[in-house]
Amino acid sequence: GAVVSQHPSWVICKSGTSVKIECRSLDFQATTMFWYRQFPKQSLMLMATSNEGSKATYEQGVEKDKFLINHASLTLSTLTVTSAHPEDSSFYICSARERQGAILAKNIQYFGAGTRLSVL
Amino acid sequence: DAKTTQPTSMDCAEGRAANLPCNHSTISGNEYVYWYRQIHSQGPQYIIHGLKNNETNEMASLIITEDRKSSTLILPHATLRDTAVYYCIVRWGSSNTGKLIFGQGTTLQVKP
Repeated sequence: GAVVSQHPSWVICKSGTSVKIECRSLDFQATTMFWYRQFPKQSLMLMATSNEGSKATYEQGVEKDKFLINHASLTLSTLTVTSAHPEDSSFYICSARERQGAILAKNIQYFGAGTRLSVL
Repeated sequence: DAKTTQPTSMDCAEGRAANLPCNHSTISGNEYVYWYRQIHSQGPQYIIHGLKNNETNEMASLIITEDRKSSTLILPHATLRDTAVYYCIVRWGSSNTGKLIFGQGTTLQVKP
């Protein structure tokens, strides 16, 4: 399957600082990328969907000014957690959809390995 | 997107087939069934997906009932490395957004 690379895998930061997480599709072009968040012992929660060259669409309850998403190219999307606080500590996972044809269902969504954010 | 129901947890003996059920009684004609799994502290891994025909790949088989209201993921010879949370997700095949929304999944424990 296609490879999605996420960096860093683990980050520790002080409260009030900003953290940027990168998500790259290594061997395919991803017109759409997704960002999820997962708290311990819970399922993945979709935060936002980003399409290359346009503004991200955020899920209800997700603050767009706090979680800045940039999808500047077909292989790179970034998530910036601004003014991070301890409650933002979580496992952040990106996903990219490989476009194999006109039928959306054949375009499989692949996931990165995740970034564990700890805010002190 | 249609909602799915999966058992919370299952056990399977190593070397045996693991059969993971999923109910999606409100599935519509344009919705596909996807299976992913998440091994502890990793990102989800794509396994297989289908519309109405049974599907098989190198990882697993997907059996979808004729009325499409339920499906079963089959891992033919489970190993300890198959211990993970397995997610059954239903998604539109014709939507421009086509978001994958994760439920609670089934925690499969493969035992020696």
